[in-house]
Amino acid sequence: RKEVEQDPGPFNVPEGATVAFNCTYSNSASQSFFWYRQDCRKEPKLLMSVYSSGNEDGRFTAQLNRASQYISLLIRDSKLSDSATYLCVVGTGTASKLTFGTGTRLQVTL
Amino acid sequence: EPEVTQTPSHQVTQMGQEVILRCVPISNHLYFYWYRQILGQKVEFLVSFYNNEISEKSEIFDDQFSVERPDGSNFTLKIRSTKLEDSAMYFCASLPGTGGNEQYFGPGTRLTVT
Repeated sequence: RKEVEQDPGPFNVPEGATVAFNCTYSNSASQSFFWYRQDCRKEPKLLMSVYSSGNEDGRFTAQLNRASQYISLLIRDSKLSDSATYLCVVGTGTASKLTFGTGTRLQVTL
Repeated sequence: EPEVTQTPSHQVTQMGQEVILRCVPISNHLYFYWYRQILGQKVEFLVSFYNNEISEKSEIFDDQFSVERPDGSNFTLKIRSTKLEDSAMYFCASLPGTGGNEQYFGPGTRLTVT
């Protein structure tokens, strides 16, 4: 089983749509959870950390279900500039290495 | 806003040659990392570095690889004898070490081994 599993997509959505990405992780000892965004041939950029209580940053909402080892990201009111690959990322402890999923590609169209 | 910087942006080398990839982490960060991403694949952890020593390394990080923090600002990755399969994007990352586990990535060095 992959350590961090994501649907590779692509998700093609019109501007203004709501889109949700899911991710599962296999290591139950994981303690830190993130969504990163990666544009083509660029570095991963931190989008948001994910907490058990769920958290929201503008149009982005992330949820964590530790029992199911499941992480989600919801993007509301999609913009053209949201087109990118969204990486689900997991860490096992303080300052530990990060384990990346393969990413889910999002294409927002007019 | 402080950033991680990396040089060069693109390095072309012949198989068997040594390369050194350079990174300047965000100042006052304490933890440093190297990751790589082969084209079309996921980002993979190579090594982490703290307090002037390696704290963790992956199976990829074999004897051909080494890291160094030669002064207070630079963090380098050396590949002693490059192979074709070392062609990839190499990302440096750093972490403050206080408050949060968010790692910040540099723009990467694209290494092409011919």
